[in-house]
Amino acid sequence: AQTVTQSQPEMSVQEAETVTLSCTYDTSESNYYLFWYKQPPSRQMILVIRQEAYKQQNATENRFSVNFQKAAKSFSLKISDSQLGDTAMYFCACLDLWNTDKLIFGTGTRLQVFP
Amino acid sequence: DTGVSQNPRHKITKRGQNVTFRCDPISEHNRLYWYRQTLGQGPEFLTYFQNEAQLEKSRLLSDRFSAERPKGSFSTLEIQRTEQGDSAMYLCASRSYRAPYEQYFGPGTRLTVT
Repeated sequence: AQTVTQSQPEMSVQEAETVTLSCTYDTSESNYYLFWYKQPPSRQMILVIRQEAYKQQNATENRFSVNFQKAAKSFSLKISDSQLGDTAMYFCACLDLWNTDKLIFGTGTRLQVFP
Repeated sequence: DTGVSQNPRHKITKRGQNVTFRCDPISEHNRLYWYRQTLGQGPEFLTYFQNEAQLEKSRLLSDRFSAERPKGSFSTLEIQRTEQGDSAMYLCASRSYRAPYEQYFGPGTRLTVT
């Protein structure tokens, strides 16, 4: 069974600064996807960034980048130049597309960006 | 593309009552998923459909829960004889066969059982 662990329940950062959210996972599969989803207060979940396990290169999307360490089963999210609109819950998730096609989520990290 | 929609957005019900939620996926998406999110937790998988076929159900989905997607378009999730432990946010997501790794989420239905 797959598990996803987020050990930081809450984080805070000042606007324009950089923050890193941690995630570890466990899976017996060799082919899988990892995701970071953002859930703003009272708004729907949106995909921030995706990483295919077979790709060694870390994914980047504008101010968002990941540090994917496959051997360590670690998948952290770095947010650069933090903005007030980044305030949200952030969920790390794992997808075993070929066997179960369901997302397994961590418990989330609440990020507060201060002006 | 109007996104995934869910109705109602909020539902308050008394223990023992039945409730039904509706999810309308993005129009060309063939897979539809239901997740449940309790306070302070990440979403947990409940079930998913490919077109009208229900392909997998979580053990979290007790006999009181039933989901349908009768014509392969919208889906309903019914909870019979609700219990206080059913209070949660129920999330629907859908995806296209063209992008199998990307699930688009709806805004959710928040259920409160009193």
